[in-house]
Amino acid sequence: DAGVTQSPTHLIKTRGQQVTLRCSPKSGHDTVSWYQQALGQGPQFIFQYYEEEERQRGNFPDRFSGHQFPNYSSELNVNALLLGDSALYLCASSLGRTGTEQPLHFGNGTRLTVT
Amino acid sequence: QQQVKQSPQSLIVQKGGISIINCAYENTAFDYFPWYQQFPGKGPALLIAIRPDVSEKKEGRFTISFNKSAKQFSLHIMDSQPGDSATYFCAASRFIDDKIIFGKGTRLHILP
Repeated sequence: DAGVTQSPTHLIKTRGQQVTLRCSPKSGHDTVSWYQQALGQGPQFIFQYYEEEERQRGNFPDRFSGHQFPNYSSELNVNALLLGDSALYLCASSLGRTGTEQPLHFGNGTRLTVT
Repeated sequence: QQQVKQSPQSLIVQKGGISIINCAYENTAFDYFPWYQQFPGKGPALLIAIRPDVSEKKEGRFTISFNKSAKQFSLHIMDSQPGDSATYFCAASRFIDDKIIFGKGTRLHILP
């Protein structure tokens, strides 16, 4: 049973560039959430996708956008990269609503470094 | 505004001892309190979770204690082992809300 897979594992970009990160959810899951984890901090919610729609969004600027495909996989796009965007980007999947009855399953993340 | 405050930042415990990590929350609407364990180079993994209608939940060596009136909850790891060395995150969410709010984490080191 494949878990959550993310690609690439590491990425180095220059300030001002754009980046796309990819995620395949755990088999059987239909909901994908994206989190940003800065060094030494807890994950912060970016947004969640369900049925190809953004269902909820955290406190992140519009430079952060996403997409969910019919096969439930997802992409996270970040435009006009800033040095402060350097972080581990985590994808998490679940079945239906997150939380109380449906825990998150995280991937191992994409380490993004902006220089 | 930090909605989930976690302490301590780091913790060193002897093998066989009890590790205790504390968290406090602000939003009384939270109704789901999970703990996640993260090893270096890996994503967080759900360890144990509790709802506010119970004061304690135990799974093996891991126990969550929950104090609704104080808006506090804690993780106890009994008979701590070197393999428990990891970063632990407490978290909270509302059922009607799909985002989970994480604490800043506690780096736990178990001495062999």
